[in-house]
Amino acid sequence: DTGVSQDPRHKITKRGQNVTFRCDPISEHNRLYWYRQTLGQGPEFLTYFQNEAQLEKSRLLSDRFSAERPKGSFSTLEIQRTEQGDSAMYLCASSLNQGALGEQYFGPGTRLTVT
Amino acid sequence: AQSVTQLGSHVSVSEGALVLLRCNYSSSVPPYLFWYVQYPNQGLQLLLKYTSAATLVKGINGFEAEFKKSETSFHLTKPSAHMSDAAEYFCAVSVIGGGSQGNLIFGKGTKLSVKP
Repeated sequence: DTGVSQDPRHKITKRGQNVTFRCDPISEHNRLYWYRQTLGQGPEFLTYFQNEAQLEKSRLLSDRFSAERPKGSFSTLEIQRTEQGDSAMYLCASSLNQGALGEQYFGPGTRLTVT
Repeated sequence: AQSVTQLGSHVSVSEGALVLLRCNYSSSVPPYLFWYVQYPNQGLQLLLKYTSAATLVKGINGFEAEFKKSETSFHLTKPSAHMSDAAEYFCAVSVIGGGSQGNLIFGKGTKLSVKP
């Protein structure tokens, strides 16, 4: 079990640039979640996938954000035209399809800094 | 709708002392509750979860939590703190209903410091 991995771990970008993050879940997990965590706050839900289908998106996920999970394995989260308010830790988690009971395993996160 | 509130953004205890981290929840349906720990620059690790099987839940690293419906609480405790317990702890509730299944709502977290 290699756990959930995320790449890159850190990203510094200038305002207005596009960035893309990758998440590789635990191999047998069919659910994948994205969360955002700002300083001093708990993680906030952004979106989740069951296999390749994106089943729910939070209101936090503005039009500048898009997520994909093309083959039901890894996922990408893209932010277009980054703003300073996008600076945060982006966390990915995966779980087996056990609905609300399912334990989510978190990756180490990607820390985004927008200058 | 579900929510959680963690009382106390920072708790400091001496090594060997009791650890008590407070969490209250709000839910119109029977909740599924979780405690996660986050060490600096790392992701979250599950400590324990309540899924209605038993009100006293034992987790990893000697932690446990008791679900009290009458108090809408799910406080985390450990009888004797270790230096290695210093971290940030998050209480979370699993969202049920309204088309949602399983995404988590987290509290703001409680940072635990352990003094030698």
